[in-house]
Amino acid sequence: GAVVSQHPSRVICKSGTSVKIECRSLDFQATTMFWYRQFPKQSLMLMATSNEGSKATYEQGVEKDKFLINHASLTLSTLTVTSAHPEDSSFYICSARTLETQYFGPGTRLLVL
Amino acid sequence: GEDVEQSLFLSVREGDSSVINCTYTDSSSTYLYWYKQEPGAGLQLLTYIFSNMDMKQDQRLTVLLNKKDKHLSLRIADTQTGDSAIYFCAESSLNQAGTALIFGKGTTLSVSS
Repeated sequence: GAVVSQHPSRVICKSGTSVKIECRSLDFQATTMFWYRQFPKQSLMLMATSNEGSKATYEQGVEKDKFLINHASLTLSTLTVTSAHPEDSSFYICSARTLETQYFGPGTRLLVL
Repeated sequence: GEDVEQSLFLSVREGDSSVINCTYTDSSSTYLYWYKQEPGAGLQLLTYIFSNMDMKQDQRLTVLLNKKDKHLSLRIADTQTGDSAIYFCAESSLNQAGTALIFGKGTTLSVSS
């Protein structure tokens, strides 16, 4: 099946700093990628849809200036959490869309101290 | 809005069959999916079914779809301890940016030996 990678897998940062998470589709091209957030023992919450070469579309309640998304190529989308605060600590998962489904990355655990 | 409901827990003995149920509300869903998530990991696509099908079998996995009742089930035959994980049901849904997945809250499957 299709492989999606994320980097880093785990990051700890100080409050007020920015953190960039990369999502790559390794063996296929994806014009559309998605960013999700998952709290402990909860389901995935869609944050935004990232389309190659255009601005991301954010779900209601997600601050676009706080969660910057860039989809510069057909295999890479990045999510930057700006001025991170402890409440941003979460598990961030990306996915890349094919014609019929989405393949997910392994996730990035963010801890903001 | 669209909603996907699952029971939260299922406990079975090794060797038994597991059946995880899901109901959804969006009658226009094109595809329905089952994903597996192990602790600390991303989501692994197990199987998916097109909405004009009523059954799909893939090795130990059987998916049944009752489109009239908007009910989806995943049967795992000969359940093993390695099947212990959270199983998410998801439906494809159109959002303003294209097609996203709407997830249920996940069913935690516990397999005892």
